[in-house]
Amino acid sequence: GAVVSQHPSWVICKSGTSVKIECRSLDFQATTMFWYRQFPKQSLMLMATSNEGSKATYEQGVEKDKFLINHASLTLSTLTVTSAHPEDSSFYICSAPRLTGELFFGEGSRLTVL
Amino acid sequence: QKEVEQNSGPLSVPEGAIASLNCTYSDRGSQSFFWYRQYSGKSPELIMFIYSNGDKEDGRFTAQLNKASQYVSLLIRDSQPSDSATYLCAVRSGGSNYKLTFGKGTLLTVNP
Repeated sequence: GAVVSQHPSWVICKSGTSVKIECRSLDFQATTMFWYRQFPKQSLMLMATSNEGSKATYEQGVEKDKFLINHASLTLSTLTVTSAHPEDSSFYICSAPRLTGELFFGEGSRLTVL
Repeated sequence: QKEVEQNSGPLSVPEGAIASLNCTYSDRGSQSFFWYRQYSGKSPELIMFIYSNGDKEDGRFTAQLNKASQYVSLLIRDSQPSDSATYLCAVRSGGSNYKLTFGKGTLLTVNP
């Protein structure tokens, strides 16, 4: 079964609103989680590394004020897309590593901004 | 810059054949190697990982690692149409805080 759960799976919102996506590790603690974005037929793009108890580390070109990341506990990280616009429509996927090193992905959240 | 290269494909094989997926990486300090399968519209699913030189088998899947050549491969025996997906190679360097570098993926199509 799934070891990383992501919610919601689908979200449709109006332009200018904010959307929060949750990522939970189900049976292990994760001090680090990763957030990716994937456009249709393109490869995964790492957006940021979420760190429990400290600020997230963003990849070059990713706006930290637009994509707010909060790693609230050892099993939960959230990504908030603020003031979403149609160009933010994408497939957002979180991942979390076990201590043994394997990285597991959540189911993904498909965001459509109208 | 750390790079992971994969043939984008598409790789097309008949049902029952062996599919061979290849990956090279640039960072000699890489220590862990992963293969993910991603169906269209879905998130990646971990299918194999390998840390040591040689072969690692799990059911119909065999991962092969050659650190000297900086090469990792995935063999799928008795390919099935349900194996049709994009296969992502991922590499972790030592001390990288679990961050993986992904290849762009190889699209595999298994024809009935």
